[in-house]
Amino acid sequence: GQQVMQIPQYQHVQEGEDFTTYCNSSTTLSNIQWYKQRPGGHPVFLIQLVKSGEVKKQKRLTFQFGEAKKNSSLHITATQTTDVGTYFCAGEDSGAGSYQLTFGKGTKLSVIP
Amino acid sequence: NAGVTQTPKFQVLKTGQSMTLQCAQDMNHEYMSWYRQDPGMGLRLIHYSVGAGITDQGEVPNGYNVSRSTTEDFPLRLLSAAPSQTSVYFCASSPGLHYEQYFGPGTRLTVT
Repeated sequence: GQQVMQIPQYQHVQEGEDFTTYCNSSTTLSNIQWYKQRPGGHPVFLIQLVKSGEVKKQKRLTFQFGEAKKNSSLHITATQTTDVGTYFCAGEDSGAGSYQLTFGKGTKLSVIP
Repeated sequence: NAGVTQTPKFQVLKTGQSMTLQCAQDMNHEYMSWYRQDPGMGLRLIHYSVGAGITDQGEVPNGYNVSRSTTEDFPLRLLSAAPSQTSVYFCASSPGLHYEQYFGPGTRLTVT
């Protein structure tokens, strides 16, 4: 079945440093979504990427979808303590009849003030 | 709008007991799903539904049943609880799979 791998599993950064998490799928994706989960909370949608090579920005967050639509990344510039949480990618297989999102295991970000 | 609601927030069961986790949404979403979240494992899909009367299995369906008699409700039933089902359970809804998923606040279940 489809596998979505995410690295690193944990990342500790000093406030103001940059942060990147990477997502790789074993199959070609029709789209990829990114979610953030604060400690003790539920996942909250950040963005969806659909097109090959797509890049989207949300303030300090930059999301990229690979040309082959099998990988993606989330980059945070100048982290703040409000960025603390676990970031998940979730991919939808482009195969016919797939109605499932497969989540990566997430990257847990800690920001040291 | 309340969004996606889940009850109960916390539950402790003994091995072999059964129970139903409730999930409801008031956004008229067709797609609903159940995930379990275990430390270091991310979110794993248990069951999902693309509309009332239609359900299908996800990655980890064993030990769980679902039904979807209305658009609003998507209960998850544990038939005979086992310690391996100790987890946090999230329900999510969406206008469709290709759209953002709205997650409920979760149910933390402990099976002893």
